[in-house]
Order: sequence, then structure tokens, then C-alpha cells
Amino acid sequence: RKEVEQDPGPFNVPEGATVAFNCTYSNSASQSFFWYRQDCRKEPKLLMSVYSSGNEDGRFTAQLNRASQYISLLIRDSKLSDSATYLCVVNIGETSYDKVIFGPGTSLSVIP
Amino acid sequence: EAGVTQFPSHSVIEKGQTVTLRCDPISGHDNLYWYRRVMGKEIKFLLHFVKESKQDESGMPNNRFLAERTGGTYSTLKVQPAELEDSGVYFCASSGQGSYEQYFGPGTRLTVT
Repeated sequence: RKEVEQDPGPFNVPEGATVAFNCTYSNSASQSFFWYRQDCRKEPKLLMSVYSSGNEDGRFTAQLNRASQYISLLIRDSKLSDSATYLCVVNIGETSYDKVIFGPGTSLSVIP
Repeated sequence: EAGVTQFPSHSVIEKGQTVTLRCDPISGHDNLYWYRRVMGKEIKFLLHFVKESKQDESGMPNNRFLAERTGGTYSTLKVQPAELEDSGVYFCASSGQGSYEQYFGPGTRLTVT
């Protein structure tokens, strides 16, 4: 089993739709979780950090379920500019010195 | 504030040659990371510096890869001799002391022919 797994997609959704991505991780000691977005041929950019049960930032909501080792990202009212690959990133230990593992990414296309 | 910068943006070399990649982290960031993305695969951790010390180099593929961070500022990643499977995008990231949030540079696209 891979350490971090994601739905590969692609997700093709119309503008204004709500879309949710799932991510599961295998290391129960993991404490910190992140969502990054990566545009084509660009670097990953931090979208949200998820430290407790979840958090919200505008149209984006991240949720964490430690018992199920599952993280989700919800995007409401999708915009064309949301089209990108969304990377689930998990810190495998308990400190900032522990390395992070990237999921393979979920591709999102928002269509007019 | 300037972000993480990397040089060169692209490099095309022949198998057996040497290439050196450079990363300048965000000023004041103690933590510097190197990652690699091979086509079709996820981004993989290579190593982590805290200031000038290697905190974790468990992701370095083999001894053809040498990373340095003299003085705790910029870092270099040398590949010598390069092999075809070394092709990919090499990302550098940095974070502040005690912070989990990493900021990525634009990457160096390495092609070994």
C-alpha cells in the first residue's frame, strides 16, 4: 500500500460546482497534513495546512479524520482558475524535522 | 520578499556528464529540502538540510548525487555521472525554523540524453 493515496481523477466539473477530493495515508503517527495545488509545469503552492480536525479558507474546506486516516478537500463554487492538480502531502512523523510524503495528485478541470 | 529561486530552469546533458543544480531559499529559512519528480510519478523527497547540516538524506537515490549547503544559505545538488533515469524536475523548498509549511522553487527540469 502506498503511503499517501489519492483519487487520480481527472475530475471535470462545470463552473459553480462543488467538488471533493479524498486522500488516505498509511502512517498513523502522522500529525501534519497539507493540500498543495500545482499548475501545469509549475511548482507546488501551499493551499491549506490541516492541523486539527479541519479548517476552512473561503471556498476551500479541508477535513481530517485521524481514526480513518483520511483527509478531504472540498471546493465550493468552482472557478475556471481552480483547474490544477491538487496534491495531498503528509508529514510522516511528529515534528517538522520529519519528511513529508506527496500523494500522486488529483487533476481538476473546471469547464465553462 | 523573494521566493525560493533555482538555477538553471532547464538543463540538457548527455549521459555520463556532470550537472550542478542550485537553490536559493527564502532569506532566513533554516530548512531547505530537495525533491524530484520523475515523469508520471509523484514528487519524491531527496534530502533535508537544517542550516548547513544534513538532517535527513534518506531519499538520495545513490552516491552519484551530492548535496551541499555550505554556510547554511544556498544549496547545490550535483549529479555525477548523470544517467538517463535521473531525468525529471528537481524542486527545492524551504521553511522557517519549526515550521511545517514549505515553499517551493520553480524547479529545474533536467533531461539526460
